[in-house]
Amino acid sequence: RKEVEQDPGPFNVPEGATVAFNCTYSNSASQSFFWYRQDCRKEPKLLMSVYSSGNEDGRFTAQLNRASQYISLLIRDSKLSDSATYLCVVGRDSNYQLIWGAGTKLIIKP
Amino acid sequence: GAVVSQHPSRVICKSGTSVKIECRSLDFQATTMFWYRQFPKKSLMLMATSNEGSKATYEQGVEKDKFLINHASLTLSTLTVTSAHPEDSSFYICSAYRRNTEAFFGQGTRLTVV
Repeated sequence: RKEVEQDPGPFNVPEGATVAFNCTYSNSASQSFFWYRQDCRKEPKLLMSVYSSGNEDGRFTAQLNRASQYISLLIRDSKLSDSATYLCVVGRDSNYQLIWGAGTKLIIKP
Repeated sequence: GAVVSQHPSRVICKSGTSVKIECRSLDFQATTMFWYRQFPKKSLMLMATSNEGSKATYEQGVEKDKFLINHASLTLSTLTVTSAHPEDSSFYICSAYRRNTEAFFGQGTRLTVV
């Protein structure tokens, strides 16, 4: 079993819709969780950290479920510019080494 | 400006030669840097953890004699792909984790071995 698993997609979503991704992780000792965004052939960029209490940043909401060992990302009112690959990232217990999901490709259509 | 600078961004080399990739943290000291590799349509894979002043820690399946890592200072780590082969062609990215903030990534190096 992979340490971090995501549905690769692609998710084809009309502009303005709400879309949600889930990601599961296997290491129960993981302490840090992130969502990164990666555009084609670019380096990944931090979208948001995921806190135990959940957190929201504008149209983006991240949730953590430790009992079931998954994190989620919700995007509301999707924009064309949201089209990208969204990477679920889990920090090992050392909190330094990042283990990456394969990414979920999102395509927003006009 | 970029917090982590990676150089070169693209390199083409002949099979059997060695290639060195540099990763510099520009405005903070990074005692630990990480090297990742990404094949097309695949996720980033952690290759090794580079520790300043000590030996790098390699992930299972990554050949330490092939991918030489040197972290001689708090702002510079280098990855040398030795005796490169076409299957080493990939996108290599370094990152440095600044405590209590986030991981900053270099721009990546696209290596093509011909």
